[in-house]
Amino acid sequence: DAKTTQPNSMESNEEEPVHLPCNHSTISGTDYIHWYRQLPSQGPEYVIHGLTSNVNNRMASLAIAEDRKSSTLILHRATLRDAAVYYCILRDEWRETSGSRLTFGEGTQLTVNP
Amino acid sequence: NAGVTQTPKFQVLKTGQSMTLQCAQDMNHEYMSWYRQDPGMGLRLIHYSVGAGITDQGEVPNGYNVSRSTTEDFPLRLLSAAPSQTSVYFCASSYSVGNQPQHFGDGTRLSIL
Repeated sequence: DAKTTQPNSMESNEEEPVHLPCNHSTISGTDYIHWYRQLPSQGPEYVIHGLTSNVNNRMASLAIAEDRKSSTLILHRATLRDAAVYYCILRDEWRETSGSRLTFGEGTQLTVNP
Repeated sequence: NAGVTQTPKFQVLKTGQSMTLQCAQDMNHEYMSWYRQDPGMGLRLIHYSVGAGITDQGEVPNGYNVSRSTTEDFPLRLLSAAPSQTSVYFCASSYSVGNQPQHFGDGTRLSIL
């Protein structure tokens, strides 16, 4: 199964940009790269996803390397509310009888300093 | 749209009891899944389903059963509750796996005494 590697923790200052890295060297050609985040005491929430091109939405930007073996989630101006665990995930390998699934790793704990 | 609805929000059980955690979605999503999250840990996949009548095991399936008789509902059954199953349980759904965002419920906080 394709796996992702993320740093355990990162720190940022409020109103500064944050670049959260993710390595996925075994990614297949059809796998989308997904990012979710989990605020304290809440369920995970979708942030962004992409396949090959860089993607932008109101929450963040996703920069995908040309070889797709790594990606970076960019928060353009961190706020205190962005302190959360950020998960980078890929779809697991397809199973003939039951399709594929999404599994989460440990993610990156982002601390935002005032 | 209600999204993904989980019931109950909180539950306390005694060791050996059984119960069913309910999950329902009104978005006509084919893919549904159950995760558990222990304190300070990441999410671990228990069971998943890619459509009505199709389920499979995730990373930590022991002690849990699921069924998917309709597109909307994906209940998780604890057969004989154990203290090690004390956790927060999240249900999620999406149109498909891998290229669509997953929508999560608010979670069920389960304590086994």
